[in-house]
Amino acid sequence: GNSVTQMEGPVTLSEEAFLTINCTYTATGYPSLFWYVQYPGEGLQLLLKATKADDKGSNKGFEATYRKETTSFHLEKGSVQVSDSAVYFCALVQGAQKLVFGQGTRLTINP
Amino acid sequence: GAVVSQHPSRVICKSGTSVKIECRSLDFQATTMFWYRQFPKQSLMLMATSNEGSKATYEQGVEKDKFLINHASLTLSTLTVTSAHPEDSSFYICSADRQGSYNEQFFGPGTRLTVL
Repeated sequence: GNSVTQMEGPVTLSEEAFLTINCTYTATGYPSLFWYVQYPGEGLQLLLKATKADDKGSNKGFEATYRKETTSFHLEKGSVQVSDSAVYFCALVQGAQKLVFGQGTRLTINP
Repeated sequence: GAVVSQHPSRVICKSGTSVKIECRSLDFQATTMFWYRQFPKQSLMLMATSNEGSKATYEQGVEKDKFLINHASLTLSTLTVTSAHPEDSSFYICSADRQGSYNEQFFGPGTRLTVL
């Protein structure tokens, strides 16, 4: 079945550091890929998405490129802020199937 | 657009009572609504999928008599935790699949249930 694997956290960075959170997936065919963010005590918010190979999703300075050859969708940001501290979930969905989440990566940004 | 609300946001109840959680899509019609459970510092676990006017589809290991789901309209789904016990304490999150949104789900803010 489909699956998503994220880099294990927690990740702690200083403000203005470069961020990469790795995400790889296993799926047959061409899933849609998502990054969701969860702030403390809240539900999930869609951060960005990509629906086909080589698409780049971007939002709030975050980017991720759908790489079919490496089955990856790594999340990057050039300069993180304290307000980016949250849990980040990589996810995929294919056709009418259910959303499949990675295990989540907790990110803490120190001032 | 595409806002999903949940009510209540937080509930504390006594063991043995039932608790109802509402999930509403405020500005769109939801083809399908999903109910997830999240334990502390863990990922989301899909509990069930519901379509308006039909019975919910439960994931393996989820007790349908324990977690009653009613999808009354294209904008409202409810989850009732019946005869709640402390082990049912968790963060419950719903999401809705908007017609034409190409598999994108919109998530509610979650409901924290504490059973004493």
